[in-house]
Amino acid sequence: DSGVTQTPKHLITATGQRVTLRCSPRSGDLSVYWYQQSLDQGLQFLIQYYNGEERAKGNILERFSAQQFPDLHSELNLSSLELGDSALYFCASSVLAGVRETQYFGPGTRLLVL
Amino acid sequence: AQTVTQSQPEMSVQEAETVTLSCTYDTSESDYYLFWYKQPPSRQMILVIRQEAYKQQNATENRFSVNFQKAAKSFSLKISDSQLGDAAMYFCAYRSAIDYGGATNKLIFGTGTLLAVQP
Repeated sequence: DSGVTQTPKHLITATGQRVTLRCSPRSGDLSVYWYQQSLDQGLQFLIQYYNGEERAKGNILERFSAQQFPDLHSELNLSSLELGDSALYFCASSVLAGVRETQYFGPGTRLLVL
Repeated sequence: AQTVTQSQPEMSVQEAETVTLSCTYDTSESDYYLFWYKQPPSRQMILVIRQEAYKQQNATENRFSVNFQKAAKSFSLKISDSQLGDAAMYFCAYRSAIDYGGATNKLIFGTGTLLAVQP
């Protein structure tokens, strides 16, 4: 158990819908990362937050957005869902945002868009 | 841009034997980190081992060790005394250690190697 929690574990929804994925980092960690694992794209970095502020963006679609709240939990919002958004979404956290920080992964949220 | 290549989609090993998983990477940077992550059927991503590029000594964690060849840009994982619980997908990952700002902290993953352990 990494100490990173994600809810829900599974999510089934329909195309065009909007969902919110939640992540609670390890106690004391200020930085949160979101990754997407899909069959065709593999594991890809989406976005990073540090102490409430967006720090880095990766291959995140405009239909997707995220935020980190004052209690440091983070939410990833996915809207206008398409079949291709079906994937496993991971959250990871680290103490700080520096390049030497180890990222610890949560158990993931499996999203299925029908 | 940095890339990570795992050329073995699947591997198999007998219980108690040793297996080596291959990983090569491409980068023009001199300072970086390399990782092996394990993803069992539960889909949890578990950090197995971490290597810092500026360290000559190969990292080890119990039955797991790496063979880091910086000039060849090779980073293989050796699992000794394989156990049934080692069966999983293994991902090699790269991360820059130079802070350019932006998405420097992101992990860049290979496509994974599925390891089966035969009893």
